[in-house]
Amino acid sequence: KAGVTQTPRYLIKTRGQQVTLSCSPISGHRSVSWYQQTPGQGLQFLFEYFSETQRNKGNFPGRFSGRQFSNSRSEMNVSTLELGDSALYLCASSLAQGDYGYTFGSGTRLTVV
Amino acid sequence: DQQVKQNSPSLSVQEGRISILNCDYTNSMFDYFLWYKKYPAEGPTFLISISSIKDKNEDGRFTVFLNKSAKHLSLHIVPSQPGDSAVYFCAGEGLTSGSRLTFGEGTQLTVNP
Repeated sequence: KAGVTQTPRYLIKTRGQQVTLSCSPISGHRSVSWYQQTPGQGLQFLFEYFSETQRNKGNFPGRFSGRQFSNSRSEMNVSTLELGDSALYLCASSLAQGDYGYTFGSGTRLTVV
Repeated sequence: DQQVKQNSPSLSVQEGRISILNCDYTNSMFDYFLWYKKYPAEGPTFLISISSIKDKNEDGRFTVFLNKSAKHLSLHIVPSQPGDSAVYFCAGEGLTSGSRLTFGEGTQLTVNP
């Protein structure tokens, strides 16, 4: 079966712009979580969606937002981009909230210049 | 507040020997601990997990040990193979907080032929 699909794979944006990243979970998975990976910081939890509702949120500023659609696909948006937002953004899906059988996508590499 | 910490950024071992990756945590509310493996340009893949009520879990060449009193867990890989070379992340999850994984910073394992 198809895995978690993230688009685009690579993105270059300018400071001040906004960006939207997309994640299609494994078919049947209803929970989608987003993580930011930067060198030396590991993976930092951004937020988690289940049944189109944000269930959990990490310690990121309000410039980071997301949403989930009825087909469980999710998008995350970063507005007013800063250089420090350059990172690998990973999406993970699981069957249900609290189910730790997470499957990660390959990520979107965002570079802010 | 770094709730999960991997103090060794890198580890190098010879093929056939044992690799031991360490992880410390501070949050006593974690119910599960998971290890993920990550190759460059790919998302993390689940390796092995352990419930907080157990002290050992084994899966083939991989064994995870949990010492709750010391708030320490370790991943043993025996025998190590060159294909094991990757970044290894440990993560904790508390079911009471939903699908939120708290990751360490990762350890780059290099297995030399």
